[in-house]
Amino acid sequence: KAGVTQTPRYLIKTRGQQVTLSCSPISGHRSVSWYQQTPGQGLQFLFEYFSETQRNKGNFPGRFSGRQFSNSRSEMNVSTLELGDSALYLCASRDRETGELFFGEGSRLTVL
Amino acid sequence: KQEVTQIPAALSVPEGENLVLNCSFTDSAIYNLQWFRQDPGKGLTSLLLIQSSQREQTSGRLNASLDKSSGRSTLYIAASQPGDSATYLCAVSSTGFQKLVFGTGTRLLVSP
Repeated sequence: KAGVTQTPRYLIKTRGQQVTLSCSPISGHRSVSWYQQTPGQGLQFLFEYFSETQRNKGNFPGRFSGRQFSNSRSEMNVSTLELGDSALYLCASRDRETGELFFGEGSRLTVL
Repeated sequence: KQEVTQIPAALSVPEGENLVLNCSFTDSAIYNLQWFRQDPGKGLTSLLLIQSSQREQTSGRLNASLDKSSGRSTLYIAASQPGDSATYLCAVSSTGFQKLVFGTGTRLLVSP
């Protein structure tokens, strides 16, 4: 069974631009969550989706948004990029029976 | 607000040693606790999941314990190997959904 797949793995943007990251969960997993990892703040929860509905949201500005499609794939978008948005963005999907979370390799965003 | 602390922040041991990583959390009303490992520049690999009703879980050379009343979990690694070198993170879920609160991690280096 394939793991959580995230694309792109690396990207470089400039301030003011926007970016869209994609995540495909493990087959059969219907809930997806996103996390931001930075050296200063560690891992922080962004949001969670289940059956195309946002179920929970972390403490991030409205520039951070996401969505989930009917096939459980998810995207997150960051608009008007700031230097502080440079981070590793991790996606996870959840095994509904055990509650265990499985993470992808992440998308490394650098904002110049 | 749940806070998760991991001690020590870094640990260096010779190959073959048994070691213990510590994780403490402030709110004992948790749903489950999960241990992950992260290699540099990579995503998170799930190691063990402990449900709130469980006291411990084992996988190979790894054993994780949970003491909800004292707000503590420990990850025991037996007969450490250089391949165990990584950052180890514990994360707590309070709701059973995907919002995890992560500790800051313990960076482990096992020398041959």
